[in-house]
Parts: sequence; structure tokens; C-alpha cells
Amino acid sequence: GNSVTQMEGPVTLSEEAFLTINCTYTATGYPSLFWYVQYPGEGLQLLLKATKADDKGSNKGFEATYRKETTSFHLEKGSVQVSDSAVYFCALRDTGTALIFGKGTTLSVSS
Amino acid sequence: DGGITQSPKYLFRKEGQNVTLSCEQNLNHDAMYWYRQDPGQGLRLIYYSQIVNDFQKGDIAEGYSVSREKKESFPLTVTSAQKNPTAFYLCASSIGGQANEKLFFGSGTQLSVL
Repeated sequence: GNSVTQMEGPVTLSEEAFLTINCTYTATGYPSLFWYVQYPGEGLQLLLKATKADDKGSNKGFEATYRKETTSFHLEKGSVQVSDSAVYFCALRDTGTALIFGKGTTLSVSS
Repeated sequence: DGGITQSPKYLFRKEGQNVTLSCEQNLNHDAMYWYRQDPGQGLRLIYYSQIVNDFQKGDIAEGYSVSREKKESFPLTVTSAQKNPTAFYLCASSIGGQANEKLFFGSGTQLSVL
């Protein structure tokens, strides 16, 4: 079946550091891939998505590229801010199914 | 403003009691979902519904029940058969069942056992 694996956290960085959160997936079809972000005590918000191989999703300085050959969708940001501190979830979705999430990675950025 | 409303924000359950979590959306979305979030476990799918009067079990449906009598409403009942109900519950919706559609999430309900 379909599944998502993302790197364990927490990830602790200083402001302006480079961020990578690894995500790999297993899928039988041609899913779309997503990154969602969750701030404390809130629901999830879509950060970015990619719907086919080699697509790059981007938003708020974050980027991720849909790599079919390595079944990966790693999240990157060149310079993190304190306000980026949150939990990040990688997810995939096939047509007719619900979203399948990874376990989440907590990011903590200090000034 | 359009969105998803979950209520209550905090809920307490006594042993042997059924409790119902409310989820309402005014986005005119066909599909709705319930997820359970536990620390370190990510989000796990409980139930989802792609259309009124129809719903499917997710990965952890045991001890839960749902109904979808109206397009805008998808309540979740946590029954006494659910032995470990303490968790953060998230409701979501999407336009339909296409892979590229994003999900819109409510702000969640924290359920605790007294």
C-alpha cells in the first residue's frame, strides 16, 4: 500500500540556517505529494504541493521537488526564521483516497 | 468567511461514555475526513466520506462511528469501545476525490478521558 516516511525530529536550527527535511514515499499509482505545516494548537495548512514527477512546489521560501526516480519529496528552505518553528508533515494522495501522512517533523528555530 | 468549524475545542469523556465531535464546513465540499493525531504518530485516518450518505473506514475506525446526512456536516462519535480515546482530532474537507486537491483543516478538538 501507499506510505510516507519522513525524517525523525526534532530539528533545531539557528535563524538563517539552511533547512532540509527528508521525505520518501511508496505508492502503487501516480500520487500527488504535499507538505503541510501545523502551528501549536492548530489544524494543518497546506505549505506546497506537486502533482507529477519533476514538478517543484514552492511557497514562502520553501521548496520541494517531486523525484520519481528516488521516490522523494524533500523540503528545503535557504534561510529559516523563528516564525518557521512548527511541525511539518509530508503527505501523498491518490485519486479517490484520503491523504496519507508521514509522522511529522518538529522544527525549532532560535534567534 | 468560508471554512471548517470543529467544536468543542476541548472535550472530556468519562469511562463508558460516548461523545460526539462536531465538524461543519461551508465550503460546499463533497469530501470530508476525520484524522486522529497522537504525539510521534502523525495523523491517522479514522473515516472519510466522499459524498452525502456514504462513508468509508480508514486505518483506525474501530471504536468510532460517523454519519453524513448533510453535505456540510460530518460528526464523529467516539464510543465506549474506543479504549484509548485521548488524542487531538482533526476534521478536514476537500472539493472531491482528486489526487491534486488540497485538504482544508479545522482547528481540532482535544479529547481527554477523565
